[in-house]
Amino acid sequence: EPEVTQTPSHQVTQMGQEVILRCVPISNHLYFYWYRQILGQKVEFLVSFYNNEISEKSEIFDDQFSVERPDGSNFTLKIRSTKLEDSAMYFCASRGVSRQFFGPGTRLTVL
Amino acid sequence: KQEVTQIPAALSVPEGENLVLNCSFTDSAIYNLQWFRQDPGKGLTSLLLIQSSQREQTSGRLNASLDKSSGRSTLYIAASQPGDSATYLCAVSATSGTYKYIFGTGTRLKVLA
Repeated sequence: EPEVTQTPSHQVTQMGQEVILRCVPISNHLYFYWYRQILGQKVEFLVSFYNNEISEKSEIFDDQFSVERPDGSNFTLKIRSTKLEDSAMYFCASRGVSRQFFGPGTRLTVL
Repeated sequence: KQEVTQIPAALSVPEGENLVLNCSFTDSAIYNLQWFRQDPGKGLTSLLLIQSSQREQTSGRLNASLDKSSGRSTLYIAASQPGDSATYLCAVSATSGTYKYIFGTGTRLKVLA
């Protein structure tokens, strides 16, 4: 079965630093998503991306966040100046016809 | 605004029991519903996907049903095993827009040997 991959699996950073989380979606998928899950809480939608632009974003996705698809295969989430409350598991997903496939997640720890 | 609720929040059962996990959603206009399993500190493992036009899906000991009109889905696990211990999440996708998933808070299952 095709799979979504994410790197790194775990990222530790200092508060105020920039981080980039990387995802490689399934190759023929056109819709891409980022979700996050703070420890002990539900998985929350952050942003969706289609046709090289953001198609929807949640209230969480403020100016500190950005996404891009720099080279036609990777899909990245950048957090410009990390805060303690950004510590969470970040999941990337891609969708073909109907089903979203989720990556294994990147655990971000902000110290 | 779609809201997804899962009951119970936690469940502890002896090995071998059949059990039912519940998921309810407030907006019946869904595109599909997916059940996931999540082990502590790990990612999301897809278990079953039910399209809005389907009533149920089965995979091994798992059976998921969908009743869109009442805003409910159930995940039935037959002959539970200690290895089934995990958190089970349901997620619903809207019929329009970006088809993003809205997740429930999950049911934490513990199967005792």
